[in-house]
Amino acid sequence: GESVGLHLPTLSVQEGDNSIINCAYSNSASDYFIWYKQESGKGPQFIIDIRSNMDKRQGQRVTVLLNKTVKHLSLQIAATQPGDSAVYFCAENSHAGGTSYGKLTFGQGTILTVHP
Amino acid sequence: DAGITQSPRHKVTETGTPVTLRCHQTENHRYMYWYRQDPGHGLRLIHYSYGVKDTDKGEVSDGYSVSRSKTEDFLLTLESATSSQTSVYFCAISSSGTGNTEAFFGQGTRLTVV
Repeated sequence: GESVGLHLPTLSVQEGDNSIINCAYSNSASDYFIWYKQESGKGPQFIIDIRSNMDKRQGQRVTVLLNKTVKHLSLQIAATQPGDSAVYFCAENSHAGGTSYGKLTFGQGTILTVHP
Repeated sequence: DAGITQSPRHKVTETGTPVTLRCHQTENHRYMYWYRQDPGHGLRLIHYSYGVKDTDKGEVSDGYSVSRSKTEDFLLTLESATSSQTSVYFCAISSSGTGNTEAFFGQGTRLTVV
C-alpha cells in the first residue's frame, strides 16, 4: 500500500541552529499533510499542516515545504531549542475508498536531539 | 490534550483475556480514531468512527473491534488478547475528518499482553 517515509531516522543539532526534517511520500493523490511532534510518554502533538495547493506554510519558528513534483515534505525549525527534542512524524491524508474525511498515514518518525 | 481522556493509561493482561480501552472526548468532535504505535512501524490506524454507530476498519483491524454508542465515547476491544497486541494505543479526534483538519491525540494507553 501507499506509505510515508523519512530519509533520516535521527538528527542531532546544537541549540540555536536551524533543523530540517525530511519526509518522502508516495501517494500522489494525498492532498493534506501534517507534522506532529511526540515527546516521550505523550501523544503526538500537532505542529503545522499544509494542503496540496500550497508549497510553503509558516508558523511560529516552523516552516513546512511541500514539493509535489518529487513528493517531498520538509519541516524547518528555526533557532532550535532543547525543548524541541522529540520524535517528529509527518502524516499524509488520503481519501481511500472515496471518503470525504480521509485517513491519516504516518511516517516512521525522526528523532531530533538538541544539544545545549 | 484537546479534551481527550484515555483509560486505563497502563494495563497488563494475560493472553486470551478480553480487554477494552476507552476514549472519552469533551470536544463534541464527530470523528474518532484508534491507532497503535510500535517501534519500526510508527502509528497505524486500527479503526475509526465517522459518527455515532458509524465505524470502519483501518489498516490493522484484525483482532480488534470498536463501538461508538455516543459521540463522546469510542471503545476499542481486544476480544482475546495476544502478545502481538502489546503496544501503545492512541485515540485521536477530528472535527471534520483528517482530510480537512488535524487530528488531536490522547496521552495513550500502554498495553502489555503476557
